[in-house]
Amino acid sequence: NAGVTQTPKFQVLKTGQSMTLQCAQDMNHNSMYWYRQDPGMGLRLIYYSASEGTTDKGEVPNGYNVSRLNKREFSLRLESAAPSQTSVYFCASSEDGVPDEKLLFGSGTQLSVL
Amino acid sequence: EDQVTQSPEALRLQEGESSSLNCSYTVSGLRGLFWYRQDPGKGPEFLFTLYSAGEEKEKERLKATLTKKESFLHITAPKPEDSATYLCAAPSGSARQLTFGSGTQLTVLP
Repeated sequence: NAGVTQTPKFQVLKTGQSMTLQCAQDMNHNSMYWYRQDPGMGLRLIYYSASEGTTDKGEVPNGYNVSRLNKREFSLRLESAAPSQTSVYFCASSEDGVPDEKLLFGSGTQLSVL
Repeated sequence: EDQVTQSPEALRLQEGESSSLNCSYTVSGLRGLFWYRQDPGKGPEFLFTLYSAGEEKEKERLKATLTKKESFLHITAPKPEDSATYLCAAPSGSARQLTFGSGTQLTVLP
C-alpha cells in the first residue's frame, strides 16, 4: 500500500542507549516530518525536512538528530536516550509543505526508555 | 503564543446520539484549520481543512464548521465505527509547524 512506513513499531531502550527510527514514503512527497505524541499534550513537531537535502528544527528538537537520506527516507536518531523521550513517534509527509496541505502519517513507533 | 484547545477531552455517545466537538484557537493569521481522525495504534488521518469563517465541509456523518475563534466537528447519528480520537490543528509560526490540540476521544456505544 502506498503511504508512509515506519520501523520499528515498538522499541524498549535503556537510558543512554542510542537508536535510529526509520521512515520511508512512496508518495513522491517533497516534505517530511517527525512528531512525538504524549498523553494530554498533542502532537509536537521535532524536526522537518522541506525538501531533499534540507532539515530544520521544530518545537522540541533537543536530544534528537535527523537525516534526510534521499527524497523517500527521513530518519530520526536518539544519541543518548532519556526517560523523557518515552513517547509515540510519528513520521509524516506532504507534497510541498505549504500551510494548507494535508499531512500523511505513518502508523507510529512506540518507544519506551527505562 | 499560538494555542489550539479541544473540548471535551472525552465524549461517550449512544449510537444515533448526535453531538459536537469543539476546537478553539488563538493563532494569528489563520492559514487553515485542520481536522484529523486517529484510531488506536495508528497515525492521524486527514479529514478536513477549513480556511475562512462560515466555511463548512461534510464527510458522511461528520460536518466541520469554522468561526473566527473556533471550529466545531458535528457528528450526526454516530455509529460505533466513528469511535476514535479527533484532533484539530492550525499552522503557526513557521508554515510547517502545525499546532495540534490534545484531541477529543469519542466513544460511540452500540
